[in-house]
Amino acid sequence: DIQMTQSPSSLSASVGDRVTITCRASQSISSYLNWYQQKPGKAPKLLIYAASSLQSGVPSRFSGSGSGTDFTLTISSLQPEDFATYYCQQSYSTHITFGQGTRLEIK
Amino acid sequence: EVQLVESGGGLVQPGRSLRLSCTASGFTFGDYAMSWVRQAPGKGLEWVGFIRSKAYGGTTEYAASVKGRFTISRDDSKSIAYLQMNSLKTEDTAVYYCTRGGYELWQFDYWGQGTLVTVSS
Repeated sequence: DIQMTQSPSSLSASVGDRVTITCRASQSISSYLNWYQQKPGKAPKLLIYAASSLQSGVPSRFSGSGSGTDFTLTISSLQPEDFATYYCQQSYSTHITFGQGTRLEIK
Repeated sequence: EVQLVESGGGLVQPGRSLRLSCTASGFTFGDYAMSWVRQAPGKGLEWVGFIRSKAYGGTTEYAASVKGRFTISRDDSKSIAYLQMNSLKTEDTAVYYCTRGGYELWQFDYWGQGTLVTVSS
């Protein structure tokens, strides 16, 4: 299976900060990379698909980039509602895999 | 409005079986692959498997951790996806989410609220 590794595993930041989360695949996955946000007790929510496409209804402060093995999720100016756990996920292989998650906490 | 509603979770003993259902509405169910994703308490997300739409043969793929024990099926006439779980283990304890997508639609764009399965004696 393709291994997805996120960094950092946790991150403390302040409202208004610019934050970047990275995701690395163990082999090339082209642009078959998606990002999700999950808040405690809730189902995950799709933010970015195909590495850089913004899901409908998601604020434009979220952006994604990358291809091949290295990807990033950027939040341009953190808002209070952005404190959550973020997951990357590859769908290049029929055996879908997720990253381990990045917990974004308030500093 | 797209909605996915899981049901069938609960407490089950190790070695026993349980079937989860995912009732969909708000879209043409038969046009989409449907997936199951689980999350053990305090852990990350784990893909369980998916079933392709009939247009792609209605075939299935599973994670190694559940292959041979879990079976995904679908009833397009009722807009329901199922997850049959046999030979349950304590490590199968998790919230199970039904999602739209996984094949052809390469992202999970809609999720159910999840249903908790607890495997314990």
